[in-house]
Amino acid sequence: EVQLVQSGPEVKKPGESLKISCQASGYTFTDYWIAWVRQMPGKGLEWMGITYPGQSQTTYNPSFQGQVTISADKSISTAFLQWNRLKASDTATYYCARHKAVPDYWGQGTLVTVAS
Amino acid sequence: EIVLTQSPATLSLSPGERATLSCRASQSVSTYLAWYQQKPGQPPRLVIYDASNRATGVPARFSGSGSGTSFILTISSLEPEDFALYYCHQRSDWPQTFGQGTKVEIK
Repeated sequence: EVQLVQSGPEVKKPGESLKISCQASGYTFTDYWIAWVRQMPGKGLEWMGITYPGQSQTTYNPSFQGQVTISADKSISTAFLQWNRLKASDTATYYCARHKAVPDYWGQGTLVTVAS
Repeated sequence: EIVLTQSPATLSLSPGERATLSCRASQSVSTYLAWYQQKPGQPPRLVIYDASNRATGVPARFSGSGSGTSFILTISSLEPEDFALYYCHQRSDWPQTFGQGTKVEIK
């Protein structure tokens, strides 16, 4: 069974750093891309970027380029989304999703709250 | 960036009725259009991919059509579990984008 299990909710202060994770199981991790999608409170879905663990390749939505870092560690079948300096506007639920043609399996989401 | 515009914003229907959701793209996406269903507190669930292909486990009452810039998601007879938010998504161009969503609510 394909599963993407994301790390738990986070509460952070502006300026802090954060790295959230997405652990995959039930398929060959290096055969699929992993995408990250943001959903701000009460809002729609935004495509952040995508990484291919098989070739350590990552592409960002220009709107998120420089704001976050997407990576993956194939030895532990886990993808990551990282911030160096959080802002209040980063408050959102972040989803990872397995992606070949389209995102087909999704993680349960990680709620990140940034508040002073 | 390709903009996807969904209409209507909200669709108020009764169980058993037919739902017709529209998604229009600002430029052609060929058939690289998918539909997702999202319920409160849950991740999106893939319903239709490549405009007209049902995802694994999706009931036959869901169907998709269209190409180029105009797409339709049809739910032939609404079941109670179908009341949710629906998003269209294009993978034709980078960055991939989503529509703003259509809420299908119980009338």
